[in-house]
Amino acid sequence: EPEVTQTPSHQVTQMGQEVILRCVPISNHLYFYWYRQILGQKVEFLVSFYNNEISEKSEIFDDQFSVERPDGSNFTLKIRSTKLEDSAMYFCASSEARPLWGYTFGSGTRLTVV
Amino acid sequence: ELKVEQNPLFLSMQEGKNYTIYCNYSTTSDRLYWYRQDPGKSLESLFVLLSNGAVKQEGRLMASLDTKARLSTLHITAAVHDLSATYFCAVDLSGANNLFFGTGTRLTVIP
Repeated sequence: EPEVTQTPSHQVTQMGQEVILRCVPISNHLYFYWYRQILGQKVEFLVSFYNNEISEKSEIFDDQFSVERPDGSNFTLKIRSTKLEDSAMYFCASSEARPLWGYTFGSGTRLTVV
Repeated sequence: ELKVEQNPLFLSMQEGKNYTIYCNYSTTSDRLYWYRQDPGKSLESLFVLLSNGAVKQEGRLMASLDTKARLSTLHITAAVHDLSATYFCAVDLSGANNLFFGTGTRLTVIP
């Protein structure tokens, strides 16, 4: 079964450093997403990406965040200057144009900012 | 802003019992999703409900959607320990392609 792959599984970084989280979505999916989940809390939408541009973003997705699809397979989330409150599990997801079969989530990257 | 509320937040039930988790949402949507999450793991898709009156069943779980009441239910029949997990409902707004998640229901099935 096709899956969404995320790397690394766990990243520890110092406050103020830049991090890049990587994702390989399912190959025939057209929409790509990033969500985050602070420990013990609900999953929150960050951004959706379609046709090489951001289609929607939440209030959380401020100027410190950016997304990119640098080639035909990878989809990245960059946090420019990490803060302690950025510590969370970050999930990448992908879907078909109309997700009749739902959104497929990756296994997540646990980001710890120290 | 779309609000998605689940209840209960925590559910402890004995094996063999039945129970229902409720998911209410605040605005019009015709697509609702249920996910399961084990501790430290990703979100596993359980059900996709695409229309009013939709009912889907898989094993001991059955999900339904009432778009007029803005309510979905996840019914657990004869619970077993393997069902212990956190269950999330999620809604996307008509025309949008992003999910608003509920608060989650942490289910513990006690032998």
